[in-house]
Amino acid sequence: QITLKESGPTLVKPTQTLTLTCTFSGFSLSTSGVGVGWIRQPPGKALEWLAVIYWNDSKYYRTSLRSRLSITMDTSTNQVVLTMTNMDPVDTATYYCAHRLVVTGTRCFDFWGQGTLVTVSS
Amino acid sequence: EIVMTQSPAVLSVSPGERATLSCRASQSVSSNLAWYQQKPGQAPRLLIYAASTRATGIPARFSGSGSGTEFTLTISSLQSEDFAVYYCQQYNDWPPALTFGGGTKVEI
Repeated sequence: QITLKESGPTLVKPTQTLTLTCTFSGFSLSTSGVGVGWIRQPPGKALEWLAVIYWNDSKYYRTSLRSRLSITMDTSTNQVVLTMTNMDPVDTATYYCAHRLVVTGTRCFDFWGQGTLVTVSS
Repeated sequence: EIVMTQSPAVLSVSPGERATLSCRASQSVSSNLAWYQQKPGQAPRLLIYAASTRATGIPARFSGSGSGTEFTLTISSLQSEDFAVYYCQQYNDWPPALTFGGGTKVEI
């Protein structure tokens, strides 16, 4: 049974750095083909993909946010960490981590965490 | 960046009716398209991938079709639990530059 859960601050100030942790179970990021992504959703708006990390430590980022994002993994603790620098009120959103569907050629997500709402405000 | 446009923004249907949702890509994404369902306060749920393959556990009333730039999600007979927002997502780009559509809300 695959589960994921996001954790981190619910409130950050503008210009601060956000660090979110995704703790998962039911799969291993050491297994070929496995990946974990981060997706966010501002209140009342659409989903926006941020980053993904794969079993071989390949990392990919949303082009427009590349300079602000960092994704890392720890296979010993089954965690993926997303860091976003220089937070702004427009970054207020629910942040989800999700498991990549392990089917050759796909880059979509079949298991999601419950999401964590991050508010950026002074 | 590939832009995904969904229509209509809101679809009003009655239980038991057929619902047809559209998703258009700004350039060809081949069959590299997924559909998700999202209910209020919940995470998205994967329905369809590869444009027409149902994900595990998804009822047969959900079907996807299309390729290139035009895609359709059809719900053959709407059940009460199907009223939700539906998103399409393309994954054609490599390196990955995944993009979602703006969503279609299916309401009673």
